[in-house]
Amino acid sequence: GAVVSQHPSRVICKSGTSVKIECRSLDFQATTMFWYRQFPKQSLMLMATSNEGSKATYEQGVEKDKFLINHASLTLSTLTVTSAHPEDSSFYICSARDYLQGTNTEAFFGQGTRLTVV
Amino acid sequence: GQQVMQIPQYQHVQEGEDFTTYCNSSTTLSNIQWYKQRPGGHPVFLIQLVKSGEVKKQKRLTFQFGEAKKNSSLHITATQTTDVGTYFCAGPGGAGSYQLTFGKGTKLSVIP
Repeated sequence: GAVVSQHPSRVICKSGTSVKIECRSLDFQATTMFWYRQFPKQSLMLMATSNEGSKATYEQGVEKDKFLINHASLTLSTLTVTSAHPEDSSFYICSARDYLQGTNTEAFFGQGTRLTVV
Repeated sequence: GQQVMQIPQYQHVQEGEDFTTYCNSSTTLSNIQWYKQRPGGHPVFLIQLVKSGEVKKQKRLTFQFGEAKKNSSLHITATQTTDVGTYFCAGPGGAGSYQLTFGKGTKLSVIP
């Protein structure tokens, strides 16, 4: 089945630095990918929709300048957390759907990235 | 916008007991999907329901889609420790959207 690969799985960074997270669709083209944030014991919070070749669409309350999204190819989207602070520590997950299989197709999730800002 | 409500938020059961999680939408859904997230893992697709009143089974898991296509349930018979995790329902986002709207999830704990 379709696979979405997310890297890195864990990252610890110093406050003020930037962290890039990659999300790849391995065997299908993803014109659209989604980035979620998940706090402990909570649900998936959609941060933004990443669109290949155009600007990402951010959900209300998500800072565009802090969470930079680039979707330069049909198989790769990146999320960069800029000037990270401890409150940015969280579990970030990407997902993609293979729309060639239809609009009701399932979502495939990356393995997630556990970000810890110290 | 569309909301998907899911209850309960947590459920602790003794191994062997049954478990049910319920999902309700404010609007009619064209389909509903269910996902399972193991502790420390990522959500994994379980099933999709499309038809009104549809019932699907996967071994000890039974999924139902309401007649009005506004609610759904997941029932696990005779839970096992391997069932531990958080179960999410998800409906389509707004019209023309490729997004999924997820419920808050039900975290299942199974006491051996």
